[in-house]
Amino acid sequence: AQRVTQPEKLLSVFKGAPVELKCNYSYSGSPELFWYVQYSRQRLQLLLRHISRESIKGFTADLNKGETSFHLKKPFAQEEDSAMYYCALLDYGQNFVFGPGTRLSVLP
Amino acid sequence: GAVVSQHPSRVICKSGTSVKIECRSLDFQATTMFWYRQFPKQSLMLMATSNEGSKATYEQGVEKDKFLINHASLTLSTLTVTSAHPEDSSFYICSARIAGGARRNEQFFGPGTRLTVL
Repeated sequence: AQRVTQPEKLLSVFKGAPVELKCNYSYSGSPELFWYVQYSRQRLQLLLRHISRESIKGFTADLNKGETSFHLKKPFAQEEDSAMYYCALLDYGQNFVFGPGTRLSVLP
Repeated sequence: GAVVSQHPSRVICKSGTSVKIECRSLDFQATTMFWYRQFPKQSLMLMATSNEGSKATYEQGVEKDKFLINHASLTLSTLTVTSAHPEDSSFYICSARIAGGARRNEQFFGPGTRLTVL
């Protein structure tokens, strides 16, 4: 079955420090993976998707099929990055399977 | 572009009443819309997938007679919580998917509806 795990419920880093939000998945086939972000009191929005290979707001994520991971990284965290981050996988039926989410807190 | 709205944003109702939540894609056509439920500090749980003009597909464990979904047009889907009970209190979020083009499969989320059943 398709599954997305995010081992950290909460991640706190200081401003300017590197940040890595972990995401692992289980899926048979070629996965399509996404990172969604939910800022305080705002709706969920797409941060990036692996097929576009973009860097959004300084974040990048590389799909590692060997490790079945899609970790989200940013070299220098900013306070405005504080939010809830969800890793998601698009399954066979074209439905999203969301991970449990990681709350990132960037401290001043 | 690609904005999804939900109405109402917040609703409080008495136990036993029914509540309708609307989800609209404002500037694009959505052949597929999704309804999620989010409990406090938890992830989104897919409840059902609705396709325009056909019956919704419900996830396992979701009562279709309790959560009625109607996707009557390419821009509107409604979720009706029938005979609501306090345990139905939750945050309900809809999303709509762009069918094709460069942004295919991208889902756009509504702002959510907070339902509180007294």
